[in-house]
Amino acid sequence: DTAVSQTPKYLVTQMGNDKSIKCEQNLGHDTMYWYKQDSKKFLKIMFSYNNKELIINETVPNRFSPKSPDKAHLNLHINSLELGDSAVYFCASSLAFGQGNSLAFGSGTRLTVV
Amino acid sequence: GNSVTQMEGPVTLSEEAFLTINCTYTATGYPSLFWYVQYPGEGLQLLLKATKADDKGSNKGFEATYRKETTSFHLEKGSVQVSDSAVYFCALEGGAGKSTFGDGTTLTVKP
Repeated sequence: DTAVSQTPKYLVTQMGNDKSIKCEQNLGHDTMYWYKQDSKKFLKIMFSYNNKELIINETVPNRFSPKSPDKAHLNLHINSLELGDSAVYFCASSLAFGQGNSLAFGSGTRLTVV
Repeated sequence: GNSVTQMEGPVTLSEEAFLTINCTYTATGYPSLFWYVQYPGEGLQLLLKATKADDKGSNKGFEATYRKETTSFHLEKGSVQVSDSAVYFCALEGGAGKSTFGDGTTLTVKP
């Protein structure tokens, strides 16, 4: 059983398109995140949800819109994709918010915008 | 704000060599400290953690000790294997719900 699963694993799309990435965790964790990893492997947090509520919203273009229908799911929708959006996007979860907990990561979605 | 600085890579070692990857941090209070490992094409996995000063985290032969006096959490392994080739990330979580990661260190172990 995969603890944090995200789909799709690969996404190749043209500039200007809209795409979504889905994430689900079966760990019973309260908090979920989206991270972006660039080509140099730098990791940057984008969003965090705790029990379906948006808690962290870093400086991310408003073309990126997360949605959490329940605490086990966190999806990411991206409008009007740009070349600079090409990266690997990781979903992650933690047991609870702000208590020094570790993160469980999904295997990533490699987004390529052409 | 919080920050994590880790040794720049890439690091290339021969099998059975000793590994040290340095990590220092800046944070207020008493953060939890972590090492994550990312194998090629995969997500990050928790390797080890320490939650208070002088704690030693260990897993799969890797160790790191939480040193508050030097604000460090260096990763060590006595004898690396080819299968340890990966990117290693030092990270902290200071209680505000946002983990801060170092820039990652790529380790290549040659047979």
